[in-house]
Parts: sequence; C-alpha cells; structure tokens
Amino acid sequence: DAGVTQSPTHLIKTRGQQVTLRCSPKSGHDTVSWYQQALGQGPQFIFQYYEEEERQRGNFPDRFSGHQFPNYSSELNVNALLLGDSALYLCASSLWTSAETQYFGPGTRLLVL
Amino acid sequence: DQQVKQNSPSLSVQEGRISILNCDYTNSMFDYFLWYKKYPAEGPTFLISISSIKDKNEDGRFTVFLNKSAKHLSLHIVPSQPGDSAVYFCAASAFGNEKLTFGTGTRLTIIP
Repeated sequence: DAGVTQSPTHLIKTRGQQVTLRCSPKSGHDTVSWYQQALGQGPQFIFQYYEEEERQRGNFPDRFSGHQFPNYSSELNVNALLLGDSALYLCASSLWTSAETQYFGPGTRLLVL
Repeated sequence: DQQVKQNSPSLSVQEGRISILNCDYTNSMFDYFLWYKKYPAEGPTFLISISSIKDKNEDGRFTVFLNKSAKHLSLHIVPSQPGDSAVYFCAASAFGNEKLTFGTGTRLTIIP
C-alpha cells in the first residue's frame, strides 16, 4: 500500500523565483492538505484540496497557490520566493469523510537563497 | 497566538520506563486531538487520536488521556523503547474545520 509521496525531496531556489512541489496521496484518499514547517516549529496549515477545489486556507499570502488533479494528486506553487519561505513543505492526505486524521508524506525541503 | 502548546522541548526517559508527553490547548472549539511522531528527514507519522467525547484511548503501548476541563492531553508510552526516540507533535482540529493545528513538538530521547 503506497503511502503519501512527494517530489522533489530537496530544492534550492533564489529569491524572486517560483517553485512547484508535488504530492501523490495515499491510495484511496481523496483529500490533500499542505503544511509548512519552519525549523523548530510545528507544521502550519497552508490549504486543503478536495474535488479539485480549495476548501480551506490558512494564514498564507496569495503567493501560495495550489491545484488538485482528477487523480487526487496535488501541486503547491509558491511565487516570488522570499528567504522566509525556506522550510519543510509537507503534504498530508485523508478521506474527506474523516479528514481530521491525516497521513503525511516525507516532505520537500526548500532552501531559498 | 499559539493555540496548541507543548511546553517541554525535550524529555529523556530510561528504556523500559514510562514516557509522558504533555500538551495544552486554548481553543475550546477543538474536539479532536492527535499525536504524531517524527524522525529526522521523514514526515510526521500518525500515532493515536482521541475524540472529545472520550477521556482515554489506548493502542498497544500508547495511551492518550484527555482532560477537557483543563484543556490538557497527555501521551503515555509504556514501556519505552529506543525506537521511540523522536520528536512528538500534538495536533488538534475543530468539527467542520479539519485543518490541524500543531504544537511545537517535544523531543523524546530513550536512554538504553
């Protein structure tokens, strides 16, 4: 049973650039949530996708956007990168009917120089 | 505003003894609570959860206790094993708003 997968594992970008991160949910799951984890902090909720629509959004600027595809996979896009966007980006999947229990992928570590 | 707090950044416990990790929350709308374990270079792994209609949930060596009046929950691990050494995160969600709000984590070290 494949768990949540994310790509790439690591990424280095410079300020002002744009980045796209990818996530495939656990088999059978239909809901994807994205979180940002800064060093020494707990994960912070960015947004959640279900049925290809953004259902909830945390306190993140519009530079953060996402997409969900018909096969339930998802992308996180960040435009105009800032140094402060350097973090571990985690994707979590769940069933919409029990979205409170989420299963996480290994994350993508983004470094902005 | 930190709605979920884990006030102990680290905890060391001898192998075979009980590990107790604590978590406090401030938002009375939270009604579902989870514990995750995280190893370096991996994503958080779901351990155990509890709904606000219960005050205890047990799964093998792991037990979570919820005290709603004190807005406090704890995770008990017994007996503690070396493989339990990791960072433990407490998380909470509110009905109808399933985003998870996390604490800052507690690093548990099991001493052989």
